This record gives sequence, structure tokens and C-alpha cells, in this order.
Amino acid sequence: RKEVEQDPGPFNVPEGATVAFNCTYSNSASQSFFWYRQDCRKEPKLLMSVYSSGNEDGRFTAQLNRASQYISLLIRDSKLSDSATYLCVVRTGGFKTIFGAGTRLFVKA
Amino acid sequence: NAGVTQTPKFRILKIGQSMTLQCTQDMNHNYMYWYRQDPGMGLKLIYYSVGAGITDKGEVPNGYNVSRSTTEDFPLRLELAAPSQTSVYFCASRTGGDAEAFFGQGTRLTVV
Repeated sequence: RKEVEQDPGPFNVPEGATVAFNCTYSNSASQSFFWYRQDCRKEPKLLMSVYSSGNEDGRFTAQLNRASQYISLLIRDSKLSDSATYLCVVRTGGFKTIFGAGTRLFVKA
Repeated sequence: NAGVTQTPKFRILKIGQSMTLQCTQDMNHNYMYWYRQDPGMGLKLIYYSVGAGITDKGEVPNGYNVSRSTTEDFPLRLELAAPSQTSVYFCASRTGGDAEAFFGQGTRLTVV
């Protein structure tokens, strides 16, 4: 079983749609969780951290469910510029950082 | 603001050749990482370091070596290049705690 698993997609949605991505992780000792965004042929960049109480940043909402070992990302009112690959990231033991394979999102006009 | 700098950006190697991918950060970060990303795939951890003089294997260390003689530098060495090592290599660094990782722009390596 992979340490971090994501639905690879692709998700094809129209502008203005709401889309949700899920990610599961296998190590119950995992401590920190993040969503990164990666544009085509570019390096990954932090989108947002994920906190136990859930957190929101504009149109983006992240949630963590430790009991079920999954995290989610919700994007509301999708924009064309949201088209990218979204990477689920899990950090274990304070330093070992594992990336999921990513979920591709295409937002169409 | 330099951040994380990787060199070279592109390289073509012949099977059996060796090379070193350079990674330097100027943020005084203790943690540094090397990942590889195959086409259409996610990042796989090759090696990581929690400070100068300390390195450890990640998910896919075979065929690679690293060293961390200074806080700033974390080079990745390929001794006998194989076609399976054709990939994009990303170096990243961060401070401790829940800090985000900052990535270099990547090195695109092709082994023929």
C-alpha cells in the first residue's frame, strides 16, 4: 500500500464549479499535512497547510480526518487559473515528507 | 532572493556515465530533500538530510548517493546512469516544525 494515495483524475470541471479532492495516508503517526500545487513542468508550491480543525483560504478549504486517515481539498467557484496538479503531502516523524501522485484538474470556460 | 538553486537545468547522459546534480539553498534551512518525478507521476523521495553530516534514504535511493558537508549544499550523485533514471529531479529545503518546503526549479535528466 502506498503511503499517500490520491485519485489521479483528471477532473474536468466548468468555471464556477465546486470540486473536491481526497487523499488517504497509511501511517497513523503522520504529523503534518499539506496541499501543494504544481503547474505543468514547474516545481511544486505550497497551496495550504491542513490543520485538524480544518482551515480555509479564500476559495480553498482543507480538512483533516485523523480517525479515517484522510485529508481533503475543496475548491469553490473554480477559475481557469486553478488548472494544475494538486499534490497531497504528508510529513511523518518531523522530517520525512511524502508526496502523493497528484490529482490533475482542468477548469474549462 | 535565490532560495533553492539547482544546476544544471537540463542534462543528457549516456548509459554508464556519472554526474552530480547540485543543490544550494541560502535560507539556512536544516532539512533538505531530493525527489524525482517521472512523467505524469508524483514525487518520490530519494534521499533527505536533517542537517550537515546527516543523511538518510527515502523511498527510491538505489543508484544514487548524497552528501551534506555544509548546511547550504546537498548534491545528488548518480554513479552509473541508467535509462530508468530519466526523470525530473527536484531539490527542496525547509526549516523545522510545520514549515513549508521550498523547491528548486528542477533538473531534467535524460539517460540514453
